[in-house]
Amino acid sequence: GDSVTQMEGPVTLSEEAFLTINCTYTATGYPSLFWYVQYPGEGLQLLLKATKADDKGSNKGFEATYRKETTSFHLEKGSVQVSDSAVYFCALSDLTGNQFYFGTGTSLTVIP
Amino acid sequence: DTGVSQDPRHKITKRGQNVTFRCDPISEHNRLYWYRQTLGQGPEFLTYFQNEAQLEKSRLLSDRFSAERPKGSFSTLEIQRTEQGDSAMYLCASSLGEGSYNEQFFGPGTRLTVL
Repeated sequence: GDSVTQMEGPVTLSEEAFLTINCTYTATGYPSLFWYVQYPGEGLQLLLKATKADDKGSNKGFEATYRKETTSFHLEKGSVQVSDSAVYFCALSDLTGNQFYFGTGTSLTVIP
Repeated sequence: DTGVSQDPRHKITKRGQNVTFRCDPISEHNRLYWYRQTLGQGPEFLTYFQNEAQLEKSRLLSDRFSAERPKGSFSTLEIQRTEQGDSAMYLCASSLGEGSYNEQFFGPGTRLTVL
């Protein structure tokens, strides 16, 4: 069945460091891929998405490219800020959009 | 519209009691989803509705769980005879239309603690 495997955390970085959180997926066909973020005490929010191969999703300085050949959707940011501290979830939506499959989440802490 | 809302935000109950949670989706969204999230894990799909019809249920949804969306607007999730293993965050999400590209908008969740 469809699934998402996400880099385990927690991850601790200094402010302005480069961030990569790895995500790979297994799916039938070509799903849509998403990154959601959960700030402390808040609900899940969509960070970015890509709906077909080679698409690049971007938002708030974060980017992820849908790589069909490596079945990956790694999240990157060139310079993290303290306010980026949160839990990040990679997710895929099956072809029907009926189900979302989430990774286990990666906790990021950015220290000044 | 202020987004997806859930009530209550926290519920503490004793084992064996019944609990009911409510979700109000974004008003024009026809799809509504329920998930369960335990500590250190991502959300796990439980069930979803297209308007008032419940179209899919996960095998995680035992017969103690029931969900309704009677008028295609708000939804309720009831857990009967709660067990300690039911302790989790229950998340509701909504989306507009069909298709894998439609993002889901999540509510803040209801945290259930079963003593």
